[in-house]
Amino acid sequence: NFMLTQPHSLSESPGKTVTISCTGSRGSIVRNHVQWFQQRPGSAPTALSFEDGQRPSGVPDRFSVSIDGSSNSASLTISGLRTEDEADYFCLAYDNYNQVFGGGTKLTVL
Amino acid sequence: EVQLVESGGGLVPPGGSLRVSCVGSGFTFGSYRMTWVRQAPGKGLEWVAGIKERGTEKNYVDSVKGRFAISRDDAKNSVFLQMNSLRVEDSGVYFCARKHLVRGIDYWGQGTMVTVSS
Repeated sequence: NFMLTQPHSLSESPGKTVTISCTGSRGSIVRNHVQWFQQRPGSAPTALSFEDGQRPSGVPDRFSVSIDGSSNSASLTISGLRTEDEADYFCLAYDNYNQVFGGGTKLTVL
Repeated sequence: EVQLVESGGGLVPPGGSLRVSCVGSGFTFGSYRMTWVRQAPGKGLEWVAGIKERGTEKNYVDSVKGRFAISRDDAKNSVFLQMNSLRVEDSGVYFCARKHLVRGIDYWGQGTMVTVSS
C-alpha cells in the first residue's frame, strides 16, 4: 500500500524556520497533488495549501510548500515561527483514485 | 460563508450500524466532490471515502470496503456515510470535507464522534 512518511515530532524556537517532510513510498510525488493541513488540539483541520500549490486566503506567506523529486518528498516550511504555530501538520496525496494522509507531525514551538 | 455540519454520531455496539450526515451551506453543494475523513482518539487523520459530483463515482479505503457506503442528496445539500458491521477500530471523529476540483479539500466540518464499544 502507498504510504506517506512524516517525522513524528519536531521542536523549534520562536522566530526560527522549520521544514516538515512528507515522503512517498512509491510512484512520483512530483506528479501527485500534495496538500498540507494544520490541526490545532480540539479543532478540525484547516488547509495550508491547495493541490495546485496555492495558499488559501488567510494563510500567511510564512507557510510555503515545495517538492523534491530526487527524494520523492514534499515539504512544508514555516518561517518566523510563532507560538500559535504549535499544532499537528498532515500531508495528503493520491493513491490511484483514493487519498492517503501522512501520519502527521507534532510541532512544538518553545 | 461555507459551512459543513455533521450529525448522527453516537455509541454503537460492535457489529452494529450507524449513518452519519453532513449538511453544507453557503455554496452550490452539487458542484463539489465530498469526502469523509476520520480520526481515532489521539491518532492521525485517515481518508475514508469520497464521492464525485452527482454521485458518479465513489471510492473507499480498503478497510471499509463492503461495510461503508457514501451517498449524497444534492436537493438536501447533504452527504451521508452509512456504516455497517462496525468494529471497535472504526471509532473516532468523522469529518466531512468539501473538495474542489482543482484546489482539493478546502473546507472541513467540525466532526461527529462515533464510538463502537460493547
